[in-house]
Amino acid sequence: GENVEQHPSTLSVQEGDSAVIKCTYSDSASNYFPWYKQELGKGPQLIIDIRSNVGEKKDQRIAVTLNKTAKHFSLHITETQPEDSAVYFCAASTGGNTGTASKLTFGTGTRLQVTL
Amino acid sequence: DAGVTQSPTHLIKTRGQQVTLRCSPKSGHDTVSWYQQALGQGPQFIFQYYEEEERQRGNFPDRFSGHQFPNYSSELNVNALLLGDSALYLCASSRDRGDTQYFGPGTRLTVL
Repeated sequence: GENVEQHPSTLSVQEGDSAVIKCTYSDSASNYFPWYKQELGKGPQLIIDIRSNVGEKKDQRIAVTLNKTAKHFSLHITETQPEDSAVYFCAASTGGNTGTASKLTFGTGTRLQVTL
Repeated sequence: DAGVTQSPTHLIKTRGQQVTLRCSPKSGHDTVSWYQQALGQGPQFIFQYYEEEERQRGNFPDRFSGHQFPNYSSELNVNALLLGDSALYLCASSRDRGDTQYFGPGTRLTVL
């Protein structure tokens, strides 16, 4: 089955700096890659996603890149703010291009701390 | 537009007992997936329901079962609780022809 690895497990940056979180996946059939932000005591919140027919996607301060050949994808957060502090999870599924909801396989998470 | 809701928020049970958790999907969504999130880990897929049937299942024992109702809401049942079942149980909803899953706040289950 699919295996998703995520690095680093913890990341500390100063406010205003950029943060990068990287994930690799094993199943070449995976075609949908969402990123979730989870704050303490809450459920994961979708912040951005990318499908395998796209190499990069941006939404304000957040961007995601996908390298299908190398089977890795990354989350980039620019101009970090204290409210960006949370645990971030990457995930992969095979449901993307088929339009069928499919199970998500998650990475182990990255705890991002943005310091003043 | 109401998001995904789950009840109860917290639950404490003892070993051997049975528990039922509930989920109402986001408006317009007909597919419900359940995940288990142990402390410090990523969510693990339990199963997915569509049209009142289990469509996909992860590596969880038969003690974990579910149900989906005609209004698309869903229940997760766990029998013969073990200490290791202590976790945050998350429900996610999606449209059948959509891959984006939206999560609820979760139910924190503690087994003593």
